[in-house]
Amino acid sequence: GAGVSQSPSNKVTEKGKDVELRCDPISGHTALYWYRQSLGQGLEFLIYFQGNSAPDKSGLPSDRFSAERTGGSVSTLTIQRTQQEDSAVYLCASSLAGTRNEQFFGPGTRLTVL
Amino acid sequence: AQSVTQLGSHVSVSEGALVLLRCNYSSSVPPYLFWYVQYPNQGLQLLLKYTTGATLVKGINGFEAEFKKSETSFHLTKPSAHMSDAAEYFCAVSRTGTASKLTFGTGTRLQVTL
Repeated sequence: GAGVSQSPSNKVTEKGKDVELRCDPISGHTALYWYRQSLGQGLEFLIYFQGNSAPDKSGLPSDRFSAERTGGSVSTLTIQRTQQEDSAVYLCASSLAGTRNEQFFGPGTRLTVL
Repeated sequence: AQSVTQLGSHVSVSEGALVLLRCNYSSSVPPYLFWYVQYPNQGLQLLLKYTTGATLVKGINGFEAEFKKSETSFHLTKPSAHMSDAAEYFCAVSRTGTASKLTFGTGTRLQVTL
């Protein structure tokens, strides 16, 4: 029943490696969002998916970041060639379309790039 | 473009005292407004939201906020603070519509003392 789940909860990687972060939204939610929370930048929007529409990628900080959403459900955020400045908590949220944008957040994935 | 300003990165109140966390927004169109709370090492939880209708909105845990268009404000209040209210609070704005990214303020950390 559950709420939004994310995995892993913690990820430590070496600079230059690729990482994949997973988000399982609430069943039936057509909209899915990724945000990043870091000490220096606060909470930043990264990308969102709404149904079958083209995703809004306007918040992705560089072309090293990409995301996909398969089958309208699970989403994966991929960061290639990680840098130390990518260290942050990555939050996923989902919402129903037409519910005036009440987004439900997962617990986040804490990424540490050494 | 939309933006949110939260005055005061840290607020300290005594248990039983009034809580007032300030939020001002900038939006070229009527916005939806939200307050989220984040407890340590957890995701974001929605406290309350304003979409349309009554400008005084009540949320969970005894919190309320009033939308004042003339002042472009959406301050969060609680008449009597509890120790359990200690957390970080984020004000957010989004465009009206079915699904839209949230733009967050920088957050206010609330400390409650005995």
